[in-house]
Amino acid sequence: DGGITQSPKYLFRKEGQNVTLSCEQNLNHDAMYWYRQDPGQGLRLIYYSQIVNDFQKGDIAEGYSVSREKKESFPLTVTSAQKNPTAFYLCAVGTGAYNEQFFGPGTRLTVL
Amino acid sequence: QKEVEQDPGPLSVPEGAIVSLNCTYSNSAFQYFMWYRQYSRKGPELLMYTYSSGNKEDGRFTAQVDKSSKYISLFIRDSQPSDSATYLCAMRGPNDYKLSFGAGTTVTVRA
Repeated sequence: DGGITQSPKYLFRKEGQNVTLSCEQNLNHDAMYWYRQDPGQGLRLIYYSQIVNDFQKGDIAEGYSVSREKKESFPLTVTSAQKNPTAFYLCAVGTGAYNEQFFGPGTRLTVL
Repeated sequence: QKEVEQDPGPLSVPEGAIVSLNCTYSNSAFQYFMWYRQYSRKGPELLMYTYSSGNKEDGRFTAQVDKSSKYISLFIRDSQPSDSATYLCAMRGPNDYKLSFGAGTTVTVRA
């Protein structure tokens, strides 16, 4: 089964905890992205990676960290420094001349 | 001012009607334009993509780009209840890796 997988689907975090969201792809694409979606707002870019062992901050990177040790995997850690982490998190891969981006099913993070 | 503006709606139409969605943008460097459909609690799925100005048709969907007006549109003909979703526009410049998204328009097609 090909595509982009994100886990878990739902995640609950206590104040002060770090949590890691998983994103895996078997599409063999180099570019991977993390977005955050809040109600009534468009997707906002957190981090992106064009190649293994390299990544860049997006528009709202504060309080987040990533790694890209394998082409297939781009995990996102939401740290305790992120003041308002409750949101829907989407991972995407990019390809093609348009850099069309294809999204995973998302992880909904709730801070208790 | 946001880089990409999109009316959030909600938009409610009867089955079979034409749905008209649009976005305006401020960055004249944008050349690649995309429309995504997002069902509730799901990831967005790519519907259509166009380059520069002009029209593109795919089945019941037509995308239009007017770069002189910085305005893009998506039309859905013969709308179905299964078209009920949030539609997001996205765009980028020639040297951008990231996409700039509109906030999304929520559409309900009534049976």
